[in-house]
Amino acid sequence: KQEVTQIPAALSVPEGENLVLNCSFTDSAIYNLQWFRQDPGKGLTSLLLIQSSQREQTSGRLNASLDKSSGRSTLYIAASQPGDSATYLCAAPAEYGNKLVFGAGTILRVKS
Amino acid sequence: NAGVTQTPKFRVLKTGQSMTLLCAQDMNHEYMYWYRQDPGMGLRLIHYSVGEGTTAKGEVPDGYNVSRLKKQNFLLGLESAAPSQTSVYFCASSYFGADTEAFFGQGTRLTVV
Repeated sequence: KQEVTQIPAALSVPEGENLVLNCSFTDSAIYNLQWFRQDPGKGLTSLLLIQSSQREQTSGRLNASLDKSSGRSTLYIAASQPGDSATYLCAAPAEYGNKLVFGAGTILRVKS
Repeated sequence: NAGVTQTPKFRVLKTGQSMTLLCAQDMNHEYMYWYRQDPGMGLRLIHYSVGEGTTAKGEVPDGYNVSRLKKQNFLLGLESAAPSQTSVYFCASSYFGADTEAFFGQGTRLTVV
């Protein structure tokens, strides 16, 4: 059964720092992994969908990597800003049923 | 382009009442999903649909029913609401399941008293 774990559960950093959010998954027979952002009281916004063939995907200051062999994905945020403060969730495909399994998220706070 | 729209945004129900949550998407997506999000439990899949006229159970389907009569709409029903169904409900859609980008609605905050 696919299980997704995110570490750390919460992170507080000063503005300008580079940071890494971690996501691990148990079923490595996946073709992609998605990262989402959720602001308080809002829905999820898709940030990056990284294919297993790509290994890395970039969007602005965000860079996501995927290593199927180790069952890990990382989301790198460069030069963090207070506006990056949100909950970040990763999601991997379930072992069957063509649906996503979500991690519990990392709550990020960037202090100005 | 509205994306995924959920109705209503907030609702308070009394125990035993029924209601229907509506999800509409205008992206011609095949797959639609209903999740609930609870503190400490994360996002859990209630039901999903792989196309018009189809539905399937997710992780926590008990107490809920769904229908997908039209491709763009996915309805979530609570026949007899219970306090344990107090939660934030999210609808999502994707073109072709877990291998394609998922788009979420803004959520419905439901309180059952």
